[in-house]
Amino acid sequence: DVVMTQSPLSLPVTLGQPASISCRSSQSLVYSDGNTYLNWFQQRPGQSPRRLIYKVSSRDSGVPDRFSGSGSGTDFTLKISRVEAEDVGVYYCMQGTQWPLTFGGGTKVEIK
Amino acid sequence: EVQLLESGGGLVQPGGSLRLSCAASGFTFGNYAMNWVRQAPGKGLEWVSSITGSGSNTYYADSVKGRFTISRDNSKNTLFLQMNSLRAEDTAVYYCGKGPSPTGFGSGFDPWGQGTVVTVSS
Repeated sequence: DVVMTQSPLSLPVTLGQPASISCRSSQSLVYSDGNTYLNWFQQRPGQSPRRLIYKVSSRDSGVPDRFSGSGSGTDFTLKISRVEAEDVGVYYCMQGTQWPLTFGGGTKVEIK
Repeated sequence: EVQLLESGGGLVQPGGSLRLSCAASGFTFGNYAMNWVRQAPGKGLEWVSSITGSGSNTYYADSVKGRFTISRDNSKNTLFLQMNSLRAEDTAVYYCGKGPSPTGFGSGFDPWGQGTVVTVSS
């Protein structure tokens, strides 16, 4: 199975400041079709998860442009350019390149 | 608007069975793969099972293989998860999620339902 490792576990951030979450996979996530199936999800407190980013860097409709995804191969990053109060929650990366689909353990973003 | 509504959760004894449903609306259901993901209390997300749009292909996590069965009724826009031989470690919120295409799973799930709670306890 592909193991997804996120860091940090917890990320206290000052409002208006940037935040960065790392996600590393135990194997390359490049699929045979040339795509890299690395996705990011946000789970606000008490809510269902919501996809923010798919295929490394494609932002979902309605997702603010302060969220961006980057990376390649086995090393990926989710960045929030200026954290807002509504960004509080847990962020998960997920790989869809290989069965079984696997998630990272999550990174909790909180306001300092 | 795409909507997914799970139901069927509840309290069940170890060794018992439950059937979860996910009613879909706002899109052509049979044109999309569907998925189940669960979240144990206070824990992270765990993929459980996926099914192609036609229902011809199914996939399972090792932790549920042989005990859970995913299926769908495209005429009723509904996804199912039959859960047998339930264990305490199956206790979780179960979410259904829409896939990106009939046979695609790589881009994850969007959107997700609100979840249904399954508690396995004596």
